Amino acid sequence: VTLLEQNPRWRLVPRGQAVNLRCILKNSQYPWMSWYQQDLQKQLQWLFTLRSPGDKEVKSLPGADYLATRVTDTELRLQVANMSQGRTLYCTCSAGGDSYEQYFGPGTRLTVL
Amino acid sequence: QQKVQQSPESLIVPEGGMASLNCTFSDRNSQYFWWYRQHSGEGPKALMSIFSNGDKKEGRFTAHLNKASLHVSLHIKDSQPSDSALYFCAVMSNYNVLYFGSGTKLTVEP
Repeated sequence: VTLLEQNPRWRLVPRGQAVNLRCILKNSQYPWMSWYQQDLQKQLQWLFTLRSPGDKEVKSLPGADYLATRVTDTELRLQVANMSQGRTLYCTCSAGGDSYEQYFGPGTRLTVL
Repeated sequence: QQKVQQSPESLIVPEGGMASLNCTFSDRNSQYFWWYRQHSGEGPKALMSIFSNGDKKEGRFTAHLNKASLHVSLHIKDSQPSDSALYFCAVMSNYNVLYFGSGTKLTVEP
């Protein structure tokens, strides 16, 4: 059973252009939602955890700027801007708390043109 | 901040052989440890967790944790070609944040 849907699944991004990603939670038993990035060397890095609708956070990392928004109980969005190197973005969900498994979505692969 | 170091970077084992993957972590207060597996083109999936010192066995997979030496390992017995994937150790810290090692690429040769 699929817990998370991500779209788009891949995108070519012209240098300097921002892109908007979406993640839909299919099971409300796993309400803690997060974003992770995986770089071209396959390193996984936590970006955000947004628990409540209306939560917003921004972060600048080497190679990209991020704006994350928890839109509703089941929708998470991520805007990626100023990306200089390709990466894959994953959303995750969990029941909450440190001892619970985090489930990863299928990912959105971004390539810089 | 939690630092997680994983070795080896890549590993080739024959079918039926034993694969051993290792991780060290930096935060002595860490309590929750995971192994994730990622096949090409897919998101990572949790393979198993370990929260107490000692061994935890699930089928062909055994995880070992030694908090005093800041070490966690994964051993895969009777390796199969379908086990070929990228393996990550991960430490859960600070409310739902997973800190990942750099990954081990496992190849099981028929």
